[in-house]
Amino acid sequence: ELKVEQNPLFLSMQEGKNYTIYCNYSTTSDRLYWYRQDPGKSLESLFVLLSNGAVKQEGRLMASLDTKARLSTLHITAAVHDLSATYFCAVDMTPGGSQGNLIFGKGTKLSVKP
Amino acid sequence: SAVISQKPSRDICQRGTSLTIQCQVDSQVTMMFWYRQQPGQSLTLIATANQGSEATYESGFVIDKFPISRPNLTFSTLTVSNMSPEDSSIYLCSVEFDYFTDTQYFGPGTRLTVL
Repeated sequence: ELKVEQNPLFLSMQEGKNYTIYCNYSTTSDRLYWYRQDPGKSLESLFVLLSNGAVKQEGRLMASLDTKARLSTLHITAAVHDLSATYFCAVDMTPGGSQGNLIFGKGTKLSVKP
Repeated sequence: SAVISQKPSRDICQRGTSLTIQCQVDSQVTMMFWYRQQPGQSLTLIATANQGSEATYESGFVIDKFPISRPNLTFSTLTVSNMSPEDSSIYLCSVEFDYFTDTQYFGPGTRLTVL
C-alpha cells in the first residue's frame, strides 16, 4: 500500500526555537512536494525536491530529500508566529515520472507561540 | 504560476441534491485535478481531468457520483451527485503548470456542507 507518513501531526513551538517535520514514504518516488495551508485557505506550494540530496531553502524553512531512506525533512529555524499553519508533504507515486498522482501526508499542524 | 478560481466558494445543500463546482484557470493547462479534503483531514485525489479524454478516477471514486467535464484547456467542472452528509468536504481543483517540476497549484477550494 502506498503511504506517506508525517510526524509529528501536531507541533506547538515557542518563537525562536528550531524544529523538524519528517515525511516518510513507502515506495520509490522521483518527486516530493511541500505545501502550506493556512486555516480556511487553499494550499500554497513551498518546495519541490527532485533528486536525492536535494535541499531547498526559503527564509526560515529548509527542505531536504533522501530518496534512499525515502525521507524528507522540513526544518524550521528560529520560528516566528507567521509560520503557524498546516504543512503537507506530497509524493508523486507514478513510476518514472509525474502523472499528477500525488499522495499527501496527513499534515503537520504547527502553532508558534510567543 | 496560474491564477485559479473556483465557484461557488461555499454552499450548503440538502441531501439527495447535486452540486456542480467550476474551476477556471487563466492559462491553458493540460492536466487538471480534483481533490477532496474532508474536515481536518488531508487531501485525496478524486480524478484527473485532461482535455479531450475521459477523466481518470482514483480508487473509491466513480463517475456516476463525481461526473467531471473538461471542455477546454482552461475550464473544468466537478459534480457531486446525490449528496449525503458524508460528502461534506472542501473540494479543490489543481493544475500542473510548471512542466519541469510538475508542481500542482491549487484553487481556493469549495466548502460544501450537506444537511
